[in-house]
Amino acid sequence: ETGVTQTPRHLVMGMTNKKSLKCEQHLGHNAMYWYKQSAKKPLELMFVYSLEERVENNSVPSRFSPECPNSSHLFLHLHTLQPEDSALYLCASSQIAGVTDTQYFGPGTRLTVL
Amino acid sequence: DQQVKQNSPSLSVQEGRISILNCDYTNSMFDYFLWYKKYPAEGPTFLISISSIKDKNEDGRFTVFLNKSAKHLSLHIVPSQPGDSAVYFCAASPYGSGGSNYKLTFGKGTLLTVNP
Repeated sequence: ETGVTQTPRHLVMGMTNKKSLKCEQHLGHNAMYWYKQSAKKPLELMFVYSLEERVENNSVPSRFSPECPNSSHLFLHLHTLQPEDSALYLCASSQIAGVTDTQYFGPGTRLTVL
Repeated sequence: DQQVKQNSPSLSVQEGRISILNCDYTNSMFDYFLWYKKYPAEGPTFLISISSIKDKNEDGRFTVFLNKSAKHLSLHIVPSQPGDSAVYFCAASPYGSGGSNYKLTFGKGTLLTVNP
């Protein structure tokens, strides 16, 4: 595998379910990001991790819980989501955290909350 | 309130001609701008960036122009090729203005179709 991979690619869950999204980067980067893209809305930053420490939380509800166990892996744990949380969730990585360093995106996980 | 606006949801051009994608912003703190391209079922790919100390940046067929007084930037693709057909996102950051070093504010994107 090369670049940034995300699993699953599609996920359907009920509001009472608990699920996790996984992101893995094979680029040797030190920063990882979660983004959300809702229908007809711009891409929106959720979380930023630098060297496995969270450095940005963009006012995201607590029903989204990120985890970065090492610099290659990033998870987004989901629980008691709402239908309006249905969106494309994109993971990205960069060599260092910061907007001036090129971010490489994964293909995303299409989440549907019923 | 949308701080980065791409007012044209779609644009269609002929192969070999110039494609011009526009982006307007409202936040005067923004001083670093990027363009991303996205194909279906793939993540966005970085194209080109520009800092507010410049008014133009060029990379091969892609040129970004920045007009700070008008709070407007544009991406020119010359010549356009069918493989350029994708959604193009403009993004901005207050990087050098003391704002967040991590947060990019994106526009909604413009779907470019280059016809053979």
